[in-house]
Amino acid sequence: DAGITQSPRHKVTETGTPVTLRCHQTENHRYMYWYRQDPGHGLRLIHYSYGVKDTDKGEVSDGYSVSRSKTEDFLLTLESATSSQTSVYFCAISDEGKPSYEQYFGPGTRLTVT
Amino acid sequence: GEDVEQSLFLSVREGDSSVINCTYTDSSSTYLYWYKQEPGAGLQLLTYIFSNMDMKQDQRLTVLLNKKDKHLSLRIADTQTGDSAIYFCACASGNTGKLIFGQGTTLQVKP
Repeated sequence: DAGITQSPRHKVTETGTPVTLRCHQTENHRYMYWYRQDPGHGLRLIHYSYGVKDTDKGEVSDGYSVSRSKTEDFLLTLESATSSQTSVYFCAISDEGKPSYEQYFGPGTRLTVT
Repeated sequence: GEDVEQSLFLSVREGDSSVINCTYTDSSSTYLYWYKQEPGAGLQLLTYIFSNMDMKQDQRLTVLLNKKDKHLSLRIADTQTGDSAIYFCACASGNTGKLIFGQGTTLQVKP
């Protein structure tokens, strides 16, 4: 299994509070991604990173920001959580050396916003 | 935007073959993937196929690609109860490496 961990694994928070989710990898892969998974929608890309300090938006980026100050860590921040951000969040990584772009996923973080 | 569609549910008997289908709209997709998700877990890459291939076989798994119809399928031979999971089809969007996922097909395997 790819060395990807996510923390916390579960979190319950109140509407309006800031939340930061962390993804940590030990594979030294260049690309990192944040997805959310909701019933009926599959996985949708929130933000991704193609290197330290290099990030870009995905299809559902509103209300989220990211930072990547080290190769191994990719942080997802909800500045002011809303109930619509209740979801399961997955981090993924991929290796620029592979033309197949295959991504490997972390175990997920279940976030509940009350 | 680009879209990937899957049927939501499939039920088979243990020992039968399962076929999970997927259609996509992005004709520039270079790689197409199948992922498996067990309850409470992340996504596990099962296999992938390059767009210039028609078929790829890996043990009990066979992937068929019809590029003309933009149709991808995953066949699982001799389906076991341990194959019960959600299966996601995904396409690499152009040359960005970003993946577009289908909604997932829940495979139920009955003993």
